[in-house]
Amino acid sequence: EDQVTQSPEALRLQEGESSSLNCSYTVSGLRGLFWYRQDPGKGPEFLFTLYSAGEEKEKERLKATLTKKESFLHITAPKPEDSATYLCAVRDNYGQNFVFGPGTRLSVLP
Amino acid sequence: GAVVSQHPSWVICKSGTSVKIECRSLDFQATTMFWYRQFPKQSLMLMATSNEGSKATYEQGVEKDKFLINHASLTLSTLTVTSAHPEDSSFYICSAPPIATGGSYEQYFGPGTRLTVT
Repeated sequence: EDQVTQSPEALRLQEGESSSLNCSYTVSGLRGLFWYRQDPGKGPEFLFTLYSAGEEKEKERLKATLTKKESFLHITAPKPEDSATYLCAVRDNYGQNFVFGPGTRLSVLP
Repeated sequence: GAVVSQHPSWVICKSGTSVKIECRSLDFQATTMFWYRQFPKQSLMLMATSNEGSKATYEQGVEKDKFLINHASLTLSTLTVTSAHPEDSSFYICSAPPIATGGSYEQYFGPGTRLTVT
């Protein structure tokens, strides 16, 4: 059974204080690992897809990396508008559905 | 591109009534759509997979007679919560992977529907 855990559960940063969010996964044949951002009361917004270990993707202040067991979402010099819940999900080779982690609630204080 | 809409964005209904939620892919086609529910401060839990032209597939523990799913076209799926009860109050979100994704497999999510059953 595919499983995804995320840590920390919540993270509070000062504006400009860089940090990383972790996503650990167990999957029978990784088809893709996905990062989403979710603001309160809204649907998840797609950020990145990673397919194989060693892959990295960047978007503005965010950088996602992937190993065989985990993924990191690095946030460089965050701003208050980066405050959101960040969700990690995996898809295996056997179906189309995603398995989501519990998310990390990020708060960036001005 | 890859926009998914949901209607309504929020709904309040009385216990015992039924509520229909629509999920539309606006600029792409999807043979499959997914329905999730999310409780406050919790992650998304997959309820069912909606398949165009065939029956939906429900996750374990989800009552298929209570949560009716219809995927009538390549751009529309509906979720009907029948005989709603207060415990059905939740945030319902749909998603869809575009048919033509060129090898990528992202799912695009709708904005969600907040259901409150009184």
